[in-house]
This record gives sequence, structure tokens and C-alpha cells, in this order.
Amino acid sequence: TQLLEQSPQFLSIQEGENLTVYCNSSSVFSSLQWYRQEPGEGPVLLVTVVTGGEVKKLKRLTFQFGDARKDSSLHITAAQPGDTGLYLCAGAGTDKLIFGTGTRLQVFP
Amino acid sequence: DAMVIQNPRYQVTQFGKPVTLSCSQTLNHNVMYWYQQKSSQAPKLLFHYYDKDFNNEADTPDNFQSRRPNTSFCFLDIRSPGLGDAAMYLCATSSRTGGVKTQYFGPGTRLLVL
Repeated sequence: TQLLEQSPQFLSIQEGENLTVYCNSSSVFSSLQWYRQEPGEGPVLLVTVVTGGEVKKLKRLTFQFGDARKDSSLHITAAQPGDTGLYLCAGAGTDKLIFGTGTRLQVFP
Repeated sequence: DAMVIQNPRYQVTQFGKPVTLSCSQTLNHNVMYWYQQKSSQAPKLLFHYYDKDFNNEADTPDNFQSRRPNTSFCFLDIRSPGLGDAAMYLCATSSRTGGVKTQYFGPGTRLLVL
């Protein structure tokens, strides 16, 4: 069974702080996606990483795919209240995604 | 804009009273998914359709059924809702072409069981 563990599970920080969310598995994935979900809404895709070692940047968000394609990280620089939400990593399986356990981020002004 | 639409956004039902949630898409994707999501947890896949081929997850209760009459529409039927079925239900679509299968999610239907 493919599992994706995210850490931390919960994170509460002040505006302006930096943070990193980790997504780890013992399985290799052909690609990995990160989603953000705001309360009462569906998850929205932030990025897809495909190549081992790949780094992608989306404004203040930096995503990295591990060299062995088993893990990934999301780093947010100078967090803002608008970054608040549930962050989900998801590995690509056959016709379905394997979701991580989720990280709930709260950024206080 | 092309999108995934779920109706209603909020649904209240009574214990044991059948309820149907609907999903439509304008993306013309051939794969459609239904997920159950409880508070602060990751979405849990219930089943998915690849075209008309139905794929049930092994741990999805028999109480949950689905119909996909055409490419655009998919329904989730809960035959006898229990209190534990109160959750957000998410519909998603993807295209089974290409190597990376991005899923596009609808806004969800929040189900309350009284």
C-alpha cells in the first residue's frame, strides 16, 4: 500500500515567518502534486513535480521533489494570512491520486 | 470557464433518508472521481469512473453508489445515510491522456445528517 505522510500535521505561525512542509513515502511516484484547500472549497492544484531533484517556484512558494522521487517539500517564505489552508501532497497512481495526510496551516496577522 | 460544478453546495438529510449529490463538468474529461473528506483530513477516494467503467475502492461501504449517465454528469447516491456519513463530498475529473494526470476538483457538497 502506498502511503504519503505529511509533517507537521498542524502549523500556526505569525505573518512574515518562513515554514516548510514535508511529504514522505517509502514508495516511488512518477509525479507528485501539491494542492491547497481553503475552508468550504475543493483542493486547488498548486504545482506538479515530475523529475527527481526538481525545484519549482510559485511566487513565495518553493517546491522540491526528492532525488529518489519518494519525498517532497513545500517551503513558504514570509507567510501571509492568505496562505492559510490545508496543504495536501498527492502522488500519482494508476488513474488515481494517493493523497498525503495533510498539513493545516494557520497564519496570523 | 471550463469547470467542475457540484450541486447543491450544502445538503441536509435525515438519518436513513436516501440522498443524491450531483457533479457536472465542462472539461470533457473521461475520468470522474468521488471523494469523502472529513474535517482536516485528506480526501478519501470512494470510487471513480474511467469513461463508463466503474472502479470501486475496496473499503467503500455498499451504502454508497454512483451513476454516470454521460461524460458530463456523475451522481453519488447514499442509500441510507448514517451520522458518520456527514462530511464534505468532492467530485474531481482528470484526463487519462498524457503522463501526468492532474485532477480538477469541484467546490464540494457539505452533507449534514440529522
